[in-house]
Amino acid sequence: GEDVEQSLFLSVREGDSSVINCTYTDSSSTYLYWYKQEPGAGLQLLTYIFSNMDMKQDQRLTVLLNKKDKHLSLRIADTQTGDSAIYFCAENPTGTASKLTFGTGTRLQVTL
Amino acid sequence: NAGVTQTPKFQVLKTGQSMTLQCAQDMNHEYMSWYRQDPGMGLRLIHYSVGAGITDQGEVPNGYNVSRSTTEDFPLRLLSAAPSQTSVYFCASRLGLTNEKLFFGSGTQLSVL
Repeated sequence: GEDVEQSLFLSVREGDSSVINCTYTDSSSTYLYWYKQEPGAGLQLLTYIFSNMDMKQDQRLTVLLNKKDKHLSLRIADTQTGDSAIYFCAENPTGTASKLTFGTGTRLQVTL
Repeated sequence: NAGVTQTPKFQVLKTGQSMTLQCAQDMNHEYMSWYRQDPGMGLRLIHYSVGAGITDQGEVPNGYNVSRSTTEDFPLRLLSAAPSQTSVYFCASRLGLTNEKLFFGSGTQLSVL
């Protein structure tokens, strides 16, 4: 089955850049997503990338996709305390349009 | 718009009790789903529905039942709760069956003693 892996924890200082990494196993995924979960809340879609793209930038967020290595990353520039949350990557493997497979989540802690 | 509404927010059950977690959306979304979130395991799909009257199993369906009698509602039933079902449950919906974003409810924290 599909497997999406992330490191569990990342700590950065306010103002620095954060890079959250994700590896996935299904190379047929057409979309890859990043979701953010704040304490006590559900997940919210941050951004997504088509599998035929290498990079997508959206304000402070940069998504990089390396299809050869099945590696996805999310870079947050000028990290703020409000960015403290759990970040999930997710893939939508071909043939499973109704299902998203989520990673284990990376808890981002932003320190002053 | 209310979006995706889940009730209750918190629930404590004894082993063997039954209960229903409610989920409603007011966005006329075809697709609705239930996930459970456990530490270190991310979100795992329990059941999903692609429209009224249609449901299917996800990754971890055992111990849970669902039905979809209306477009708006997708309740999740635990017939005989077990401690292994202690988790945070999220309902999510989206407009179509392709790749639009999922809208999540705020979750139900369930403890089974």
